[in-house]
Amino acid sequence: GAGVSQSPSNKVTEKGKDVELRCDPISGHTALYWYRQSLGQGLEFLIYFQGNSAPDKSGLPSDRFSAERTGGSVSTLTIQRTQQEDSAVYLCASSLQQGDRGGYTFGSGTRLTVV
Amino acid sequence: AQSVAQPEDQVNVAEGNPLTVKCTYSVSGNPYLFWYVQYPNRGLQFLLKYITGDNLVKGSYGFEAEFNKSQTSFHLKKPSALVSDSALYFCAVRVYLSGSARQLTFGSGTQLTVLP
Repeated sequence: GAGVSQSPSNKVTEKGKDVELRCDPISGHTALYWYRQSLGQGLEFLIYFQGNSAPDKSGLPSDRFSAERTGGSVSTLTIQRTQQEDSAVYLCASSLQQGDRGGYTFGSGTRLTVV
Repeated sequence: AQSVAQPEDQVNVAEGNPLTVKCTYSVSGNPYLFWYVQYPNRGLQFLLKYITGDNLVKGSYGFEAEFNKSQTSFHLKKPSALVSDSALYFCAVRVYLSGSARQLTFGSGTQLTVLP
């Protein structure tokens, strides 16, 4: 597609439930990133995928968070047993390759609300 | 480690006046610096970047930024602000060294409000 697509755009879930957030990057972009933006906060790095390399998971806040990227394209971020502090906007970005000097292209995000 | 500081949470400026949004960084090595803008309920949009070369870089919508190595700063500027420039602005940094973090590190953001 022309841009990075994220779904759903909004998600309300009950505390303790699992959620899946989807990111469809720009075709041909080998690098994919997940960030979290909490109210009044900056962007917090979560995880990074580059081609077929092992992902950089150093930003995942707990073992309730996981992500996968199938076929080097679509990525799914899963949050298990959601907590209220997980409420945030989850942003996905892609770039042409690791070290891309052009920066990232971001999706519009998924706004997650845990009630 | 790499980090970015945006010392102002909020900047207000009158339409037609020049604007500055401040950013300082800390990296081990040569930085690659970026500015992004976020409009309400939208993702981040790329504005401009400094990779190498001329310290003054020009970007989208009339914005520019100056890389100052001695002050480790990369302030965003525009000579004449528009009401439509009102948005949340993020500075970001990355450095390309073996073993360094590959992802962009973002500042906490500065809310720019241009008053008519």
